[in-house]
Amino acid sequence: EVQLVQSGAEVKKPGESLKISCKGSGYSFTSYWIGWVRQMPGKGLEWMGIMHPGDSDTRYSPSFQGQVTISADKSISTAYMQWSSLKASDSAMYFCASGPSSGYFPSYFHQWGQGTLVTVSS
Amino acid sequence: EIVMTQSPATLSVSPGERATLSCRASQSVSSNLAWYQQKPGQAPRLLIFGASTRATSIPARFSGSGSGTEFTLTISSLQSEDFAVYYCQQYNYWPPFTFGQGTKLEIK
Repeated sequence: EVQLVQSGAEVKKPGESLKISCKGSGYSFTSYWIGWVRQMPGKGLEWMGIMHPGDSDTRYSPSFQGQVTISADKSISTAYMQWSSLKASDSAMYFCASGPSSGYFPSYFHQWGQGTLVTVSS
Repeated sequence: EIVMTQSPATLSVSPGERATLSCRASQSVSSNLAWYQQKPGQAPRLLIFGASTRATSIPARFSGSGSGTEFTLTISSLQSEDFAVYYCQQYNYWPPFTFGQGTKLEIK
């Protein structure tokens, strides 16, 4: 069974750092792009960025470039997203998702993680 | 950045009736358009990709159409489990692969 399992909910203070994870199983982790999607409370889906674990090619939405870092450890089939200095406005649900390539490039997301809720509050 | 606009924001339909949801792109995205369903407290689920191809295990009452800038998701006979929020997403121009703002399908 194909699965993406994300790390648990986090409560952090402004200015703290954070790294959340997303472990893939049941498929070839290095063959599919894996991306991150933000959903703020009561709001829609925002595409943040994406990585190809096979060659570490990483692209960010301009809205999130410089705000987060996407990485992966293919030896343990796990993708990460990290913040160096959290803000209250980073409070949201974060989903990882994987999808097939269209040629080399990514496309839609056919598998989603369960989400990681991040709360940033003083 | 491609802007995806969904309409209506909220759609009220009775069970058993047909629902038609629209998605418009600010420029042509060819057929590189996906639809997702999200229920409260759950992750989104892929319904349609390539504008009209149903994903694995998606019931035949869900159908997608369109190309270029105008797309439609039709649910032919609404079941109770279909009431949710629906998002379209273009994957023709990146980054980012933008989502629409969503259409909430509610019981009339």
